[in-house]
Amino acid sequence: GDSVTQTEGLVTLTEGLPVMLNCTYQTAYSTFLFWYVQHLNEAPKLLLKSSTDNKRTEHQGFHATLHKSSSSFHLQKSSAQLSDSALYYCALSDTDNNNAPRFGAGTKLTVKP
Amino acid sequence: EAAVTQSPRNKVAVTGGKVTLSCNQTNNHNNMYWYRQDTGHGLRLIHYSYGAGSTEKGDIPDGYKASRPSQENFSLILELATPSQTSVYFCASGDQINNQAPLFGEGTRLSVL
Repeated sequence: GDSVTQTEGLVTLTEGLPVMLNCTYQTAYSTFLFWYVQHLNEAPKLLLKSSTDNKRTEHQGFHATLHKSSSSFHLQKSSAQLSDSALYYCALSDTDNNNAPRFGAGTKLTVKP
Repeated sequence: EAAVTQSPRNKVAVTGGKVTLSCNQTNNHNNMYWYRQDTGHGLRLIHYSYGAGSTEKGDIPDGYKASRPSQENFSLILELATPSQTSVYFCASGDQINNQAPLFGEGTRLSVL
């Protein structure tokens, strides 16, 4: 079945440094990949989505590029802000079969002054 | 405005008791999902539905039932609640028009004592 792997459970970095959160996936079908962000005591919210190979997708200062050759969809930002501290989820949906979206285990990002 | 509303927002239940978590969406989405969120496990899919009258098992369905009596409503039922079901539960809706990107409710915090 479909699966998503996020290798870092916790990432702590200093304000102004670049952010990279890893996401790899497994699926046999055509998919959409998503990044969700969840701030404390809030619902997860869609940050980015893509289904196009090798195309950079950007939103709110974050960007990600879907690489089907390596099954990856890493989230990046050039300069972290304190307000970026949150839980980030990578997810995929199987568009061929209309299967329910699956999420990774999440990465908690903490940005310090 | 697109919305997913969950009730109750907080619930304390006793072991062996019956718990019903309700979800209503006004997005006219065909698909609805129930996830539970636990540290280290991320968002795990419990049950989902393609439309009124349909329910499908997700990845962790044991101990849970689901009911989709209408397009708008999707319930999660714990017939015999156990402490291991203490968690935060999220309902979401989506469909192929929005690439199945889940739109989440605010969550229900359930404690089973």
